[in-house]
Amino acid sequence: GAVVSQHPSWVICKSGTSVKIECRSLDFQATTMFWYRQFPKQSLMLMATSNEGSKATYEQGVEKDKFLINHASLTLSTLTVTSAHPEDSSFYICSAHGGGGGAGETQYFGPGTRLLVL
Amino acid sequence: LAKTTQPISMDSYEGQEVNITCSHNNIATNDYITWYQQFPSQGPRFIIQGYKTKVTNEVASLFIPADRKSSTLSLPRVSLSDTAVYYCLVGDYNFNKFYFGSGTKLNVKP
Repeated sequence: GAVVSQHPSWVICKSGTSVKIECRSLDFQATTMFWYRQFPKQSLMLMATSNEGSKATYEQGVEKDKFLINHASLTLSTLTVTSAHPEDSSFYICSAHGGGGGAGETQYFGPGTRLLVL
Repeated sequence: LAKTTQPISMDSYEGQEVNITCSHNNIATNDYITWYQQFPSQGPRFIIQGYKTKVTNEVASLFIPADRKSSTLSLPRVSLSDTAVYYCLVGDYNFNKFYFGSGTKLNVKP
């Protein structure tokens, strides 16, 4: 149980285009989803927290107009990198939290999405 | 907010028990401690979570002293496949506030 998927697993795009990454909790309802980015040999950096049906809360220094987050249902959150540039190339990871007992009571992470912007 | 401190790296040999300690001196009363394992180019994998004393599951044990200012992840009889980065995370139950450590790179040698 407690499986989180991400799609796509990797994406290559041209500079200036937008990329959407999906995060799904497959076997539990996620009241909260988190989006991270990770650079090589570094820890995870929290970008934003999203609660189903409400606006995401962004960490300081993260541009909310560039990284659009939508959490439309209890099993799906999306991250859209708008007008991507090479410096946005990174490993993006989502996690989901059920907020209650049983599966999902901790953060469960997706497999990550490798983004390369040319 | 409880900032965490972990050793940057550790070396071990196959078959040994490995203990990785995380310091969190400012842990709050409602904070839990969670450990994750991460392989390159993969998302972190949940290992174990605890609040106090000792928690054990099929892959690891977590020891938390009474003052909760630190925690120790214990991996029994490691194998080469346990080579990974291990992160401790301290935060409240709903992750309203939490801190991800910088991780410990465990290198298991044959």
